[in-house]
Amino acid sequence: EADIYQTPRYLVIGTGKKITLECSQTMGHDKMYWYQQDPGMELHLIHYSYGVNSTEKGDLSSESTVSRIRTEHFPLTLESARPSHTSQYLCASWRQGSGYTFGSGTRLTVV
Amino acid sequence: GEDVEQSLFLSVREGDSSVINCTYTDSSSTYLYWYKQEPGAGLQLLTYIFSNMDMKQDQRLTVLLNKKDKHLSLRIADTQTGDSAIYFCAETANYGGSQGNLIFGKGTKLSVKP
Repeated sequence: EADIYQTPRYLVIGTGKKITLECSQTMGHDKMYWYQQDPGMELHLIHYSYGVNSTEKGDLSSESTVSRIRTEHFPLTLESARPSHTSQYLCASWRQGSGYTFGSGTRLTVV
Repeated sequence: GEDVEQSLFLSVREGDSSVINCTYTDSSSTYLYWYKQEPGAGLQLLTYIFSNMDMKQDQRLTVLLNKKDKHLSLRIADTQTGDSAIYFCAETANYGGSQGNLIFGKGTKLSVKP
């Protein structure tokens, strides 16, 4: 059973809409991450957090923003979605020795 | 900078062994990981190996680590059609304040033919 939850699972929205992708974990992990995954498989780190009130940009520039007000919650927001944002978004949390635990992902399509 | 390389595709017949190879650059990585991603799903931790180990075996999975060559491999014995997935190799990042972050390879797509 998953301990990290992402909603929605699939989302199709129109250009210009504001959206928030939800990610919650029940494991009390401090470190959390957002990855964007190409159709060709490669993972790109777009945001990470080391704990409450900590957020950092990842290796891939992204127009999205994140917040970390509570340990268990790490939402990602796109203020104005564009077709170039169409991708799969994966959330993960981390514990030393066990690596990442990933959510099932949100597949976003912007039309 | 740190980098993880792996071949993009591997095709095997059901019942054969599969070997997925990976090379990494950071010799100070504490742990090295293999993740499996099935179609439409997130990544699932398959196994990991601590850097002071040469080998780890878990049922049909064998991980070999050659620290001198910075080479990691995953062997799946008696490969089944259910093993068809993308397999990601990852090393721990140890630069600056990013300890704990993982560096992922681009993934190897394993296709198992009946």
